[in-house]
Parts: sequence; C-alpha cells; structure tokens
Amino acid sequence: AQRVTQPEKLLSVFKGAPVELKCNYSYSGSPELFWYVQYSRQRLQLLLRHISRESIKGFTADLNKGETSFHLKKPFAQEEDSAMYYCALSGRSNFGNEKLTFGTGTRLTIIP
Amino acid sequence: DTGVSQDPRHKITKRGQNVTFRCDPISEHNRLYWYRQTLGQGPEFLTYFQNEAQLEKSRLLSDRFSAERPKGSFSTLEIQRTEQGDSAMYLCASRRQGTSGGNEQFFGPGTRLTVL
Repeated sequence: AQRVTQPEKLLSVFKGAPVELKCNYSYSGSPELFWYVQYSRQRLQLLLRHISRESIKGFTADLNKGETSFHLKKPFAQEEDSAMYYCALSGRSNFGNEKLTFGTGTRLTIIP
Repeated sequence: DTGVSQDPRHKITKRGQNVTFRCDPISEHNRLYWYRQTLGQGPEFLTYFQNEAQLEKSRLLSDRFSAERPKGSFSTLEIQRTEQGDSAMYLCASRRQGTSGGNEQFFGPGTRLTVL
C-alpha cells in the first residue's frame, strides 16, 4: 500500500525564519514525489516534483530514499508563503499506478 | 484555454437525489482524473481515464458512483441516491501522457457538494 504522512497539521513560522514541512512516504517501488500548494481561494497547484530537482519560489525538496522522506524547505519564509501544502506520491507514470496519493496537508502560516 | 474547468462550482442537494458534475480538461490532455476531498483530508483518488477508456477505479467508487468520458474530452461524474457522507469537494485533474513532466497533474477548482 502507498501512504504519505505529513505529521504537522499546522505550522507557524516568523517571516525571515527557515521553513521545513515534513513528509514521509511508504511505497514498495520507485515513487514520484510532489509538493502541491493551495493558496487561499485558489486551486491546487504543483509546487515541486522530485524528478526535476528544481527550486521554485525559493523552496527545495530532496528525496531521501533511506529515510523515505521528501521534506520541503525554504531558508527565509515570506508572508506570501502562507498556504496549505500537500505532499503527494505516485508510481512512475510510464508503468501504471499513476494515481496521486496525498498526505493530509500542513497549513503554513507566516507571522509578520 | 485557461486550465481545467469544473461545473458547477457548488451543489446543494437533498439526500436521495442524483447529481452530476462535469469536468473539462486542458486541451490535448489525454488523461483525466477524479479525486474527492473531505474536510481535513488530502484529496483521495476515485478514478481515471485515458481518452475515453476508464483505466482504474478506487474502491471508494461505490456502485452509486459512475464516471464517463464518452468522446475522450470532457468527463462527467454522477452520484445516484446521494447520502450525507457524499458531501465533499470533488476535484478533477488532467495531464498529457508522455510529456517530460512525469506525472504532473493539473487540477480544476473543484465542485463542492453538500447533501442535506
């Protein structure tokens, strides 16, 4: 079975402080990992995917297969980062099992 | 084409009634997905299509639920004999298979269903 765990439902961080949103997963094969973000009154949108190894809006995430983690990090939080963040997992899209399995989400609030 | 669209955005119905939701994916996206999201939870997979073929259904999709994508473009999700437990946000997503973006799925705004 595939599972994604986000242990923090709520996280408050002061502006300018570092941010880390935790994500752990369980999957028997080679997964694709994603971070999706939902800003207030907006649709769910992709923030990062592990296969592209890119930094978006200052956020990065590294897949750690040994610890089965895909934590999201940003060195200096900004007020516009306040949003709901979901970690998600799928199988490799060329081999089926491409449904996304989401965690329960972490609501990040940046304190001015 | 501004993205995945869903209609209606909100639906209030009485228990026992049938409801139908529509999803229009991004043009040329051959894969279309339905998810359900309840309060405090992340989206949960329901089903997906490649063109008009329904390739996978979750066990969450009881026999009261049916989804179609008759011409490989828009899709409908019907719930028969609604129950209060069906109250949720129903999300649609699409993607184009074979792109370099892996399994990146683009989401619509959702249809919020309230069953009274």
